[in-house]
Amino acid sequence: GDKVKQSPSALSLQEGTNSALRCNFSIAATTVQWFLQNPRGSLINLFYLVPGTKENGRLKSAFDSKESYSTLHIRDAQLEDSGTYFCAAEAGFASALTFGSGTKVIPCLP
Amino acid sequence: EAAVTQSPRNKVAVTGGKVTLSCNQTNNHNNMYWYRQDTGHGLRLIHYSYGAGSTEKGDIPDGYKASRPSQENFSLILELATPSQTSVYFCASGEVYEQYFGPGTRLTVL
Repeated sequence: GDKVKQSPSALSLQEGTNSALRCNFSIAATTVQWFLQNPRGSLINLFYLVPGTKENGRLKSAFDSKESYSTLHIRDAQLEDSGTYFCAAEAGFASALTFGSGTKVIPCLP
Repeated sequence: EAAVTQSPRNKVAVTGGKVTLSCNQTNNHNNMYWYRQDTGHGLRLIHYSYGAGSTEKGDIPDGYKASRPSQENFSLILELATPSQTSVYFCASGEVYEQYFGPGTRLTVL
């Protein structure tokens, strides 16, 4: 099965609302990274996490290594938040990453 | 600012031909990685390197070779390209902390 399972696979984004994305790990993740892949395909670094939480503007992320999951919260969503969000867990060798399948965030027009 | 560049950005190859994808980083990171991303999926690790002269197999190395001639450069080589290797290829560099990704190379094998 998937070593890094992301949910949901897709999300409709309404401006001004809050959203939550989640990753569950079946590997012994020691660190987690979150990326946004923009419509051009570039991977933008959002967070690098050891167990704990981080916040950056309207984004907040948490990583619980004991319960093997990580979350990404988007507060007061904006259209520029659209794209595909990936979480990736460090696999233990040379810090190589194991990626989830992504959450596609799609703008929901009013 | 971290800088990872890839060339070419787009490549069309014929089945059975040889393809070389190049990656350069100016971060002075020891570790470099090659991943591939197929439509609708996350990234999967092909090869990685701990430093100049070293290459290691990742999760899906079959059909690929890698070369790390210097700290800055890491190449991915497809000796006999097949249509199943049509994908977007990402290079990354990193240390104990975050990985930084290049813009990707779109490879089509006809």
